[in-house]
Amino acid sequence: GDSVTQMEGPVTLSEEAFLTINCTYTATGYPSLFWYVQYPGEGLQLLLKATKADDKGSNKGFEATYRKETTSFHLEKGSVQVSDSAVYFCALIPPIYNQGGKLIFGQGTELSVKP
Amino acid sequence: KAGVTQTPRYLIKTRGQQVTLSCSPISGHRSVSWYQQTPGQGLQFLFEYFSETQRNKGNFPGRFSGRQFSNSRSEMNVSTLELGDSALYLCASSKKRDRGPVSTDTQYFGPGTRLTVL
Repeated sequence: GDSVTQMEGPVTLSEEAFLTINCTYTATGYPSLFWYVQYPGEGLQLLLKATKADDKGSNKGFEATYRKETTSFHLEKGSVQVSDSAVYFCALIPPIYNQGGKLIFGQGTELSVKP
Repeated sequence: KAGVTQTPRYLIKTRGQQVTLSCSPISGHRSVSWYQQTPGQGLQFLFEYFSETQRNKGNFPGRFSGRQFSNSRSEMNVSTLELGDSALYLCASSKKRDRGPVSTDTQYFGPGTRLTVL
């Protein structure tokens, strides 16, 4: 079935370091891909999304490119801040019509940024 | 515009009891989805409602049920609570449910209801 695999955390970085969180997926066809972020004690916030191959989603300095050939959607940021400390979830919505409302999540990657 | 609201934020119940959680979507959003988040299983889809109809259901036992009202507000109910039902229950809303083969509609999440079963 459809699934998402993320790199395991926790990831600990110093402020201003470069961030990459790997995400690969398994799905039939072309799913929509998302990155959500969860701060402590809160729900999920949409960070960015991409709906077709080669699309690049970007927001708040974060970027991810939908790579169909490698079935990947890696999250990157050039210079992280302490305020970026959170748990990041990669997710997909399967392209099958009846699965339209169902987000499938990866296991989450905890990021800790030290000053 | 107000975001997705969920009530209550925290609940403590004992085994065997039942519980009802409420979700108010963003104004104008007609689709509501529910997810369960636990440390062991991560985020798992429970069900989705659109126009008062359940359109999709995850792999959960029948003790988990839900409904949606004409104003798009949704409730989920868990009967005969078990210890393993302790979790953060998240509700998400989106404007509509795409009819095409690829759903691009963004889901916006509420803060969740933290359920503890003792």
